[in-house]
Amino acid sequence: EAQVTQNPRYLITVTGKKLTVTCSQNMNHEYMSWYRQDPGLGLRQIYYSMNVEVTDKGDVPEGYKVSRKEKRNFPLILESPSPNQTSLYFCASSLGGGNLNTIYFGEGSWLTVV
Amino acid sequence: GQQVMQIPQYQHVQEGEDFTTYCNSSTTLSNIQWYKQRPGGHPVFLIQLVKSGEVKKQKRLTFQFGEAKKNSSLHITATQTTDVGTYFCYAGGTSYGKLTFGQGTILTVHP
Repeated sequence: EAQVTQNPRYLITVTGKKLTVTCSQNMNHEYMSWYRQDPGLGLRQIYYSMNVEVTDKGDVPEGYKVSRKEKRNFPLILESPSPNQTSLYFCASSLGGGNLNTIYFGEGSWLTVV
Repeated sequence: GQQVMQIPQYQHVQEGEDFTTYCNSSTTLSNIQWYKQRPGGHPVFLIQLVKSGEVKKQKRLTFQFGEAKKNSSLHITATQTTDVGTYFCYAGGTSYGKLTFGQGTILTVHP
């Protein structure tokens, strides 16, 4: 089954404790992206990757890092999480980064930073 | 991606009433996509519009792309409780890779 898999789905962590949210897709998609969803703000793009070893900043990259060492994986790293990073995070992938490709989302990761 | 304004932010309807959400851009769009996110779920692709004036239907849902390709609408006829959720538009422009969504419209349907 074609899917985007994120882990963990739920996490409560403390300020400053590094964490990684993993994302994997099995559709051989070149494009992957991370979004955060907050009430009233919709989906905001954090980082995206057009292909292996190619990453770029989205609209809200501060406080996050990503890497794309393999085509199927695109982990999101919070080096020193802060409470304002409490949010619902979605990983997404598509065939390419162009406008005409359908975007597939993971199930989401609820992150709480206390 | 292009910046779009999506309105309304919230819509409460009685079951059986119609519902419409709009996406508006100040610039011409190459295409627009619509996604639905059920409560507690993730966004799922509904449809894509590419041509000026294009109209597509999916059962009770009607999608339109404006003649000037600057706006789009999603209309639901006779809403049902299964229609609840957040509807997002994604507008394609000239930026490759930076894919931006509208703020979403949260639909509540009262039985």
